[in-house]
Amino acid sequence: AQTVTQSQPEMSVQEAETVTLSCTYDTSESDYYLFWYKQPPSRQMILVIRQEAYKQQNATENRFSVNFQKAAKSFSLKISDSQLGDAAMYFCAYRSATGGATNKLIFGTGTLLAVQP
Amino acid sequence: NAGVTQTPKFRILKIGQSMTLQCTQDMNHNYMYWYRQDPGMGLKLIYYSVGAGITDKGEVPNGYNVSRSTTEDFPLRLELAAPSQTSVYFCASQRYQETQYFGPGTRLLVL
Repeated sequence: AQTVTQSQPEMSVQEAETVTLSCTYDTSESDYYLFWYKQPPSRQMILVIRQEAYKQQNATENRFSVNFQKAAKSFSLKISDSQLGDAAMYFCAYRSATGGATNKLIFGTGTLLAVQP
Repeated sequence: NAGVTQTPKFRILKIGQSMTLQCTQDMNHNYMYWYRQDPGMGLKLIYYSVGAGITDKGEVPNGYNVSRSTTEDFPLRLELAAPSQTSVYFCASQRYQETQYFGPGTRLLVL
């Protein structure tokens, strides 16, 4: 079974600085997707970024980028120029690419990010 | 485009009561999911559906039931509510291998 591990329960960053959130996963599959979701105090789950395992190029979305190391099964999220609105719980998630019933997301336990003004 | 909607937003139940959490999506997605999120934890899958008339259990199905009579609706039924079911419940939908979209969540407190 696949697992997702986030080893940093809490992180803190100064406004305008850069922070990296860590995520590791375990799978025997070769084709899958990885995601970072943001959950602000409103509890809404918001997709931040998505990475396809078959793509070597790291995904980027504006100030958010990932460092995807497939061999090491590592998927970290870098937030550049941190803003107060980035404060939230961040979840790393895995999804198999084989389709059918395995489209479910497997979540890590989350990292709570605080942004200091 | 409303996306995924959930009702109610918050509910308090007494032990032993029953209720249905409603979930509707207007994106014509075939896959729908119910997750629960306990305090300080990630989301765990309760039930899922790959299309109308087809449902299956996830990781934590005990104490819950679902049905999927239409593509749009995927209600979650709690029978005989227990304090262990106090949680935040999220419904989500997805089209095949595309992005999974979440509803705003339902906060349930069982006393």
